[in-house]
Amino acid sequence: NAGVTQTPKFRILKIGQSMTLQCTQDMNHNYMYWYRQDPGMGLKLIYYSVGAGITDKGEVPNGYNVSRSTTEDFPLRLELAAPSQTSVYFCASSYQGRTELFFGEGSRLTVL
Amino acid sequence: TQLLEQSPQFLSIQEGENLTVYCNSSSVFSSLQWYRQEPGEGPVLLVTVVTGGEVKKLKRLTFQFGDARKDSSLHITAAQPGDTGLYLCAHFTGNQFYFGTGTSLTVIP
Repeated sequence: NAGVTQTPKFRILKIGQSMTLQCTQDMNHNYMYWYRQDPGMGLKLIYYSVGAGITDKGEVPNGYNVSRSTTEDFPLRLELAAPSQTSVYFCASSYQGRTELFFGEGSRLTVL
Repeated sequence: TQLLEQSPQFLSIQEGENLTVYCNSSSVFSSLQWYRQEPGEGPVLLVTVVTGGEVKKLKRLTFQFGDARKDSSLHITAAQPGDTGLYLCAHFTGNQFYFGTGTSLTVIP
């Protein structure tokens, strides 16, 4: 069972570069989320989507963009990477908003 | 943002000891979830508590939702090294899950 799949698992970027973190789920979940996790800071929501074609900002959206063209995919785009974006990024999905969140294994991004 | 405060932030105990971690807020919640995150992995749901005063047990883990639905606790009996991880509480509001900062538990064999 694949669940939520994130790629890449690790990436090093130079300041000013751009990249896309990929997220795919095979559970036909409507809700999808992107979080970042910094040491001692818990999980902060970047963007979320309640269905294909619908996205909205979370707590920390600056410097990121998302799209949701299909139910399965929810890529996160980093434009003009900055050292403050060094973090571990988690994609998650849920069938309905209040139900269990299923997480991917995370993508560790370092910006130098 | 509806703040969830977790305590303690770090906890290191010997195998076989008991422990309790807390999740507190000034807001009332319709439900709270507890997740465990092992190193290098994403969080995994342990339990959802819904009713004020509710107690749920998962083997050696006991979860309680406060009567006023503003706080929750997780008690582990006879901790094992396999309990090591980051314990996170979370609530769902306005299409978003908000997470506490977590309690990092290390159980020493």
